[in-house]
Amino acid sequence: GAGVSQSPSNKVTEKGKDVELRCDPISGHTALYWYRQSLGQGLEFLIYFQGNSAPDKSGLPSDRFSAERTGGSVSTLTIQRTQQEDSAVYLCASSLERTGSGEQYFGPGTRLTVT
Amino acid sequence: AQRVTQPEKLLSVFKGAPVELKCNYSYSGSPELFWYVQYSRQRLQLLLRHISRESIKGFTADLNKGETSFHLKKPFAQEEDSAMYYCALSRKAGSYQLTFGKGTKLSVIP
Repeated sequence: GAGVSQSPSNKVTEKGKDVELRCDPISGHTALYWYRQSLGQGLEFLIYFQGNSAPDKSGLPSDRFSAERTGGSVSTLTIQRTQQEDSAVYLCASSLERTGSGEQYFGPGTRLTVT
Repeated sequence: AQRVTQPEKLLSVFKGAPVELKCNYSYSGSPELFWYVQYSRQRLQLLLRHISRESIKGFTADLNKGETSFHLKKPFAQEEDSAMYYCALSRKAGSYQLTFGKGTKLSVIP
């Protein structure tokens, strides 16, 4: 079946502009995660959704970052007033609710470059 | 707070040689441990998890709670094993978010 998809695959933006990154999880997966992969920091957790609610936003680095999920499916990560340090690969993952295994299925990522 | 340490950024071995990718963790509770792998130009994917105690592609990993380690091992490396390997930890409650190590790039020399 179809895996997790993300769009766009690449995004180049100017410093100060807003960007939106999209994630389509595997159908039926109620848990959705956003991570950031950067050279200096490795893979970092950003936010977790269970259905449409986000009980864990502890990884969002600043109030310029926000995310929403609608219909228990598609999620959008928004970065306002982008900065050069926001340049990274943004990964989305989804998993079945409470499988107990924590197995997460990752998308291909969106590579964000802030110039 | 939880933490995962992979001490080697790069590991090079010859084809047919044994491989051991090290992973140590710190967590106050009882975690779930995973190894994820990312082959060139492919997405991150689960390799194995400690609760299943299975061998995938010849790789095994044993959770050692005394040493807080979860090293990944394979007796005979193959060229197709060349990839980036990430050790990850998940809490058993709450958000199940993964805490990753910085990763080890395995290069198998033919």
